[in-house]
Amino acid sequence: QQQVKQSPQSLIVQKGGISIINCAYENTAFDYFPWYQQFPGKGPALLIAIRPDVSEKKEGRFTISFNKSAKQFSLHIMDSQPGDSATYFCAASINQGAQKLVFGQGTRLTINP
Amino acid sequence: DAGITQSPRHKVTETGTPVTLRCHQTENHRYMYWYRQDPGHGLRLIHYSYGVKDTDKGEVSDGYSVSRSKTEDFLLTLESATSSQTSVYFCAISVRPHFDNEQFFGPGTRLTVL
Repeated sequence: QQQVKQSPQSLIVQKGGISIINCAYENTAFDYFPWYQQFPGKGPALLIAIRPDVSEKKEGRFTISFNKSAKQFSLHIMDSQPGDSATYFCAASINQGAQKLVFGQGTRLTINP
Repeated sequence: DAGITQSPRHKVTETGTPVTLRCHQTENHRYMYWYRQDPGHGLRLIHYSYGVKDTDKGEVSDGYSVSRSKTEDFLLTLESATSSQTSVYFCAISVRPHFDNEQFFGPGTRLTVL
């Protein structure tokens, strides 16, 4: 059972454009929603995260939009750059106990120069 | 990299052989995790630990066991490797549990089971 569904599987965006990746979750107990960025041959690294008490969080060119009623959240990358080309994973967890992360399937983002 | 190392980084083995992967951290964090990464599945939790000798199963634990006899080391064992266990394995630690849940990942181990 896939508790976090991510789309699209792959995405190609022109330099300077906006990249948008979407995730939907099922478990309403989730209360922490991070996005991880992974470059080839490396482990994932936290990019930005949000808790459900806010609808949007922005860090530089990266923004998370969160819709609690729809159980959806998305990552927006503004002014996308070739260096943003990577695989992006959304995830969710419950902020208690072992705080196990449940990941989406991943999106391979390519920014064309 | 939060002081996480994994060994070996690459391994090729044959079906039916036992395999042990090691995760080592230098900062005495309590929570450690093992994930596997496969195309189309993202990362899936295999086992996790919340202290020395305290471990529990994750989403895809069948065929895997773990041990944690020291805070700094978390071992993942495939008792009898199968081709379906060909994957990239990542270890992670939680640096500030219950404050935020940022997990730091190691560099990964690519395992091929022939």
